[in-house]
Amino acid sequence: QSVLTQPPSVSAAPGQRVTISCSGSTSNIGNSYVSWYQQLPGTAPKLLIYDNDKRPSGIPDRFSGSKSGTSATLGITGLQPGDEADYYCGTWDTSLTAGGVFGGGTKLTVL
Amino acid sequence: QVQLVQSGSELRSPGASVKVSCKTYGYTFTIYSINWLRQAPGQGLEWMGWINPNTGNPTYAQDFAGRFVFSLDTSVATAYLQINNLRTEDTAVYYCARDALVIRFDNWGQGTLVTVAS
Repeated sequence: QSVLTQPPSVSAAPGQRVTISCSGSTSNIGNSYVSWYQQLPGTAPKLLIYDNDKRPSGIPDRFSGSKSGTSATLGITGLQPGDEADYYCGTWDTSLTAGGVFGGGTKLTVL
Repeated sequence: QVQLVQSGSELRSPGASVKVSCKTYGYTFTIYSINWLRQAPGQGLEWMGWINPNTGNPTYAQDFAGRFVFSLDTSVATAYLQINNLRTEDTAVYYCARDALVIRFDNWGQGTLVTVAS
């Protein structure tokens, strides 16, 4: 059972837009920055979004992030077959068991 | 460029120990913490904890306190994860990741598969 809640799967056609939600609480998303990671099959995760809405160098602007209250959202526009991957949100939790927490991951299928 | 290179896959019996290395390149080792994460087969990411590269002080997530040990060798810019008294449920891919701030893992190792089986 992950601390952050993501939908198990989303799907959309090439060229379309998709969003992936990440729901938490005041002890994590509500008080910390959120990062998003893309994990292509058989590879290590890659940082896509940090500090809620910032993109590292080299990440296309088709990827965007936002946060409102205790939820965060990853948006992907102009879907490409190469975007098919697992996506994870992560943040810091300030509760008694303080530490990094992640969502369970969302499998994106490009139809 | 920044690289984190992990040691290769390991197969161990229950009760044994294993030590995974994470050698870093391309940046000043003492500036960024190294975090360790676990991914069991078909499962999501679990944060195991981190180690302070200046002091060598480790911090463990609650579920990883006890049998898991983080260490460093700053002379070779390498971090280590040792798992003692291995259990079959420790079978997973273990990742090291450089933390640019707090849970901003901007560079990852390629992962090390640890298989525990009799």
